[in-house]
Amino acid sequence: AQSVTQPDIHITVSEGASLELRCNYSYGATPYLFWYVQSPGQGLQLLLKYFSGDTLVQGIKGFEAEFKRSQSSFNLRKPSVHWSDAAEYFCAVGATNAGKSTFGDGTTLTVKP
Amino acid sequence: GAGVSQSPSNKVTEKGKDVELRCDPISGHTALYWYRQRLGQGLEFLIYFQGNSAPDKSGLPSDRFSAERTGESVSTLTIQRTQQEDSAVYLCASSLGGGPSDTQYFGPGTRLTVL
Repeated sequence: AQSVTQPDIHITVSEGASLELRCNYSYGATPYLFWYVQSPGQGLQLLLKYFSGDTLVQGIKGFEAEFKRSQSSFNLRKPSVHWSDAAEYFCAVGATNAGKSTFGDGTTLTVKP
Repeated sequence: GAGVSQSPSNKVTEKGKDVELRCDPISGHTALYWYRQRLGQGLEFLIYFQGNSAPDKSGLPSDRFSAERTGESVSTLTIQRTQQEDSAVYLCASSLGGGPSDTQYFGPGTRLTVL
């Protein structure tokens, strides 16, 4: 069965600092990987996704993620965090035989001024 | 509409009552998903529709939960005899084709509180 682990429940960074949110997955084949952001009072929004090809994927809002098969990881990064990035971030893995995704428990990002 | 809509946005009910939650997907999207998000947790898959049929109901937690979709459009999630542990935000998503690479677009959710 597929699973996703986000080891960090809560991360605090200063505005302008770099950010890395960790995601580890368990899946038997090549995974379909996603990062979503959920801002207070808003629905989930897709930041980026990986299926194949280049292991470094670019997303919206200046985010990127790198797929590392050897480490079963898909960490999300941003070079310089803005106060508006404060939100909850979810990593997800999609099944190959259906559209449903398995989500991690999320990482809450707080941005200090 | 431009996005996925859900109604009501908030629902407070008494234990033992039935509730219906509605989802309007993006027009033309053939796949529709229901998830549950308990406080402080990630999303828990409930059910997936491809058109009007539900090939994957594996996530429904008990027979008190059911869902239907009509006209390849609106879906209703029904919870019978609600329990306090049913309190959560129920999220609906739709995607164009339902494949694993298709982007799922999420609605704002319905917050259900069972007293």
